[in-house]
Amino acid sequence: NAGVTQTPKFQVLKTGQSMTLQCAQDMNHEYMSWYRQDPGMGLRLIHYSVGAGITDQGEVPNGYNVSRSTTEDFPLRLLSAAPSQTSVYFCASSSGKQPQHFGDGTRLSIL
Amino acid sequence: SQELEQSPQSLIVQEGKNLTINCTSSKTLYGLYWYKQKYGEGLIFLMMLQKGGEEKSHEKITAKLDEKKQQSSLHITASQPSHAGIYLCGAPDNTDKLIFGTGTRLQVFP
Repeated sequence: NAGVTQTPKFQVLKTGQSMTLQCAQDMNHEYMSWYRQDPGMGLRLIHYSVGAGITDQGEVPNGYNVSRSTTEDFPLRLLSAAPSQTSVYFCASSSGKQPQHFGDGTRLSIL
Repeated sequence: SQELEQSPQSLIVQEGKNLTINCTSSKTLYGLYWYKQKYGEGLIFLMMLQKGGEEKSHEKITAKLDEKKQQSSLHITASQPSHAGIYLCGAPDNTDKLIFGTGTRLQVFP
């Protein structure tokens, strides 16, 4: 049972480049979310999804897109990377009121 | 919007000492989660508190929820180096989205 898998683990981009952070879960959880973690600011919600075909914005959605075509996958897209998006990104999934399961994170640096 | 404030932000203790981390909400708490994070890793779920006055323990870690004070505390007894990491509290806001505190960094030295 892999849980929540994030790829890649590390990535360096140049300003203006685009990329997709992958997130997959094998627990059949309906709820998935993306957070970014910055020093002194805890985890902030970017986007979330309550089921396949349904997505919504969190606290800091600007500059990011998501889609949920399947229950298992919830990719996060950076359309035009900016240095302010340098962060550690976490994907999480859960079912009902149960605690969220987190991936190991993607460390993203934008030069 | 609801905010969670954790205190202290950082804690350095000697092995064997007890310690407490607090999480205070700006609004009513309808439940609270405690997570632990080691450097370079994801968040590991520790405990979930759902009712005011609830207290849960796992090994040497005890968490309590004081609904009236809009606060939760995490207490570690006889700390060990394996307890080192970042502790985060999380709570559902009024739309059921999970928000997090800024974290408490714990270091335990021999």
